[in-house]
Amino acid sequence: DTAVSQTPKYLVTQMGNDKSIKCEQNLGHDTMYWYKQDSKKFLKIMFSYNNKELIINETVPNRFSPKSPDKAHLNLHINSLELGDSAVYFCASSQVRGRDNYGYTFGSGTRLTVV
Amino acid sequence: GESVGLHLPTLSVQEGDNSIINCAYSNSASDYFIWYKQESGKGPQFIIDIRSNMDKRQGQRVTVLLNKTVKHLSLQIAATQPGDSAVYFCAEKPPSWGKLQFGAGTQVVVTP
Repeated sequence: DTAVSQTPKYLVTQMGNDKSIKCEQNLGHDTMYWYKQDSKKFLKIMFSYNNKELIINETVPNRFSPKSPDKAHLNLHINSLELGDSAVYFCASSQVRGRDNYGYTFGSGTRLTVV
Repeated sequence: GESVGLHLPTLSVQEGDNSIINCAYSNSASDYFIWYKQESGKGPQFIIDIRSNMDKRQGQRVTVLLNKTVKHLSLQIAATQPGDSAVYFCAEKPPSWGKLQFGAGTQVVVTP
């Protein structure tokens, strides 16, 4: 069973379109994240949700809107896609207890290409 | 973590040799560190972690060393194999809640 699964794996779309990426984890974790990986492989956190509540919101354009319907799901909706949004987007999850952060696990990524 | 925009450093290792991958972390208050391995087309995969109250931790064929004085982390891989070819990332968790920050990554290429 896949622990953190993302769909779709590949997404090619035109500039200006709106698209969504979905993420689900079956690890029973209470915290989920979206990371963006650029062409130089640098991983940068975008958002984090804990028990459906937004707790980290990095400097990300308003066109990106995360949504967590329950603690096992975290989706990412992107409006008015731009060429610079092309990247690999990774979902991750972990279990946070106080200052400890356990079992940080990543999905296999969604490669978004905006043309 | 490392600065954004640097090209990905590459470490070329002969099969059977030991590899050492280095990482300079940014926050002296970080209390938890993880090494990840990312193979082509896949997500980062956990290798080994270490807490700030330790300076060394060993796993299967891997050892992580932590030097808090100079904010340096290293990953040693014993008897490197072709399957070890990947990009390796260090990550640090500052005392802020839940947020893991990544270094720039090192590409390891294992040659026969």
